[in-house]
Amino acid sequence: DGGITQSPKYLFRKEGQNVTLSCEQNLNHDAMYWYRQDPGQGLRLIYYSQIVNDFQKGDIAEGYSVSREKKESFPLTVTSAQKNPTAFYLCASSIQGRGNQPQHFGDGTRLSIL
Amino acid sequence: AQSVTQPDIHITVSEGASLELRCNYSYGATPYLFWYVQSPGQGLQLLLKYFSGDTLVQGIKGFEAEFKRSQSSFNLRKPSVHWSDAAEYFCAVGAGDAGNMLTFGGGTRLMVKP
Repeated sequence: DGGITQSPKYLFRKEGQNVTLSCEQNLNHDAMYWYRQDPGQGLRLIYYSQIVNDFQKGDIAEGYSVSREKKESFPLTVTSAQKNPTAFYLCASSIQGRGNQPQHFGDGTRLSIL
Repeated sequence: AQSVTQPDIHITVSEGASLELRCNYSYGATPYLFWYVQSPGQGLQLLLKYFSGDTLVQGIKGFEAEFKRSQSSFNLRKPSVHWSDAAEYFCAVGAGDAGNMLTFGGGTRLMVKP
């Protein structure tokens, strides 16, 4: 079955540490997205990529970095510059579109501070 | 810029009762509209989408939504709620001017009483 796989499901970060969240899709989608979800705040866009080797900042990119070296993969690094990283992180993908293509989501990674 | 408002943060209904979740959007052109459902600790699953044409849209799990341009609304409905419908529901609008970006509302948490 095609889908999006996020790993790990739970992740703990120590102060001053960078951590990387994995997102892999086998849907052959060109576009991929990272969202942060906090209670009562819906989903906020961190980064998105419409094609391999290209990505753009979303609304809350500070303290995060991404890469898109392969079509299937879009890892997110939470750097030590992100002072409040505790949240639920969702990865999504879609075919190319202009707001008319639904995004497909993984099951998320919950990041906590030790 | 587009925006989405879900006025109800929490809703509680009795099992078997009807349900309506409200969604209001702001967008200058014809919107692309989506409803997603999220179970605890999971990703988002697409329930239905509206692009054009018939303003009453049928989705999965017995849900439907009606697009009302005059009210800038896209409310989600279900005639008879089941206990398994307890989840968080997100309305989203697609903007055509920046790739396939979606803007999400803050979500409505549905609780179902036995």
